[in-house]
Amino acid sequence: DAKTTQPPSMDCAEGRAANLPCNHSTISGNEYVYWYRQIHSQGPQYIIHGLKNNETNEMASLIITEDRKSSTLILPHATLRDTAVYYCIAGRNTDKLIFGTGTRLQVFP
Amino acid sequence: SAVISQKPSRDICQRGTSLTIQCQVDSQVTMMFWYRQQPGQSLTLIATANQGSEATYESGFVIDKFPISRPNLTFSTLTVSNMSPEDSSIYLCSVGGTILAGAFNEQFFGPGTRLTVL
Repeated sequence: DAKTTQPPSMDCAEGRAANLPCNHSTISGNEYVYWYRQIHSQGPQYIIHGLKNNETNEMASLIITEDRKSSTLILPHATLRDTAVYYCIAGRNTDKLIFGTGTRLQVFP
Repeated sequence: SAVISQKPSRDICQRGTSLTIQCQVDSQVTMMFWYRQQPGQSLTLIATANQGSEATYESGFVIDKFPISRPNLTFSTLTVSNMSPEDSSIYLCSVGGTILAGAFNEQFFGPGTRLTVL
């Protein structure tokens, strides 16, 4: 079973920040938090990952709580092209990743 | 990063037949995985493809139905055997672990193979 829980859907206005929450209360100490997204049934696209510290890259920011039991993916200025299913996964790069049901983000004009 | 290609990209097959899907990576990787995504569903892991040994299957998936080969560190195949309409899905491979030319911490996914069984 997936180790993460996410809301099934969210809406966001174009140009606004999209904040996608994820709960991973049973995450192990050596497991990362990974975020992927999938657009139109293409292969999942890697977004960002983190272990303990907050992370930022050109696509998004990842905020991980101090107890590591939850995290938030932030898309700072959502565009229509960010409409996708977003998956939060707890795991290691050398191990299998178990996908949950994800959050379907709809960005509207 | 790793660039992954899959062949075929899509196919329509008759029930009772078999289809072999290929996954090619542009660099050597330690881990390769096969996933299935049924219509409207999330990804489900089928198996871990182990180089030089038998694949490790997840609960609900068996070797007779989904034989997997991994002859080297850049290539793997998944065969969907004796197909039925319930096998209609997108099949994806992913890679992870250490690329021998450098390390990375994420897994990368191929574009998927869309299979329709009539």
